[in-house]
Amino acid sequence: DSGVTQTPKHLITATGQRVTLRCSPRSGDLSVYWYQQSLDQGLQFLIQYYNGEERAKGNILERFSAQQFPDLHSELNLSSLELGDSALYFCASSVFSALSTDTQYFGPGTRLTVL
Amino acid sequence: GQQVMQIPQYQHVQEGEDFTTYCNSSTTLSNIQWYKQRPGGHPVFLIQLVKSGEVKKQKRLTFQFGEAKKNSSLHITATQTTDVGTYFCAGADSNYQLIWGAGTKLIIKP
Repeated sequence: DSGVTQTPKHLITATGQRVTLRCSPRSGDLSVYWYQQSLDQGLQFLIQYYNGEERAKGNILERFSAQQFPDLHSELNLSSLELGDSALYFCASSVFSALSTDTQYFGPGTRLTVL
Repeated sequence: GQQVMQIPQYQHVQEGEDFTTYCNSSTTLSNIQWYKQRPGGHPVFLIQLVKSGEVKKQKRLTFQFGEAKKNSSLHITATQTTDVGTYFCAGADSNYQLIWGAGTKLIIKP
């Protein structure tokens, strides 16, 4: 158990809908990362937040948005869903330092299925 | 943009054979991390290499960081069924942001 929690575990929805994925980081971790992993594919970095502020952006679609709240939990919002958005979405957290690369601790993931 | 290339994509081995995955970057990396993702699981941190030419061992796993800090490898000696999974390298750029390799899936042939 990494200490990172993600809800829900599974989500099934229809094209055109909007969903919200939730992540709670490890106690003490200030940074949250979101990744997308399509079936048998690699990890696509989406976005990073540090202490409530966006820190880095990866290949995140305009239909997707995220935020980190004062209690440090984070939400990833996916809208106008398409079939191709079906994937495993991981959240990871780290302590974060601007002068080093921290270990990232991954949550169990949310499996999104768009029908 | 900066990329980290990881090969091979898949490797099938008989149990007891060795396994190696390689990562290459076009630019110098600040450091490199390795993660393992078991089937149906999430990535788990294995190790971080920071110094040029660094070699670290964890039991049957040997990790190397190239002299130019542009390449790295993970070698597993005498694979076991517990080694099955996908191994990812992630190189840190000059801002210490991780750039992920595509992963190498280790498959043990029955």
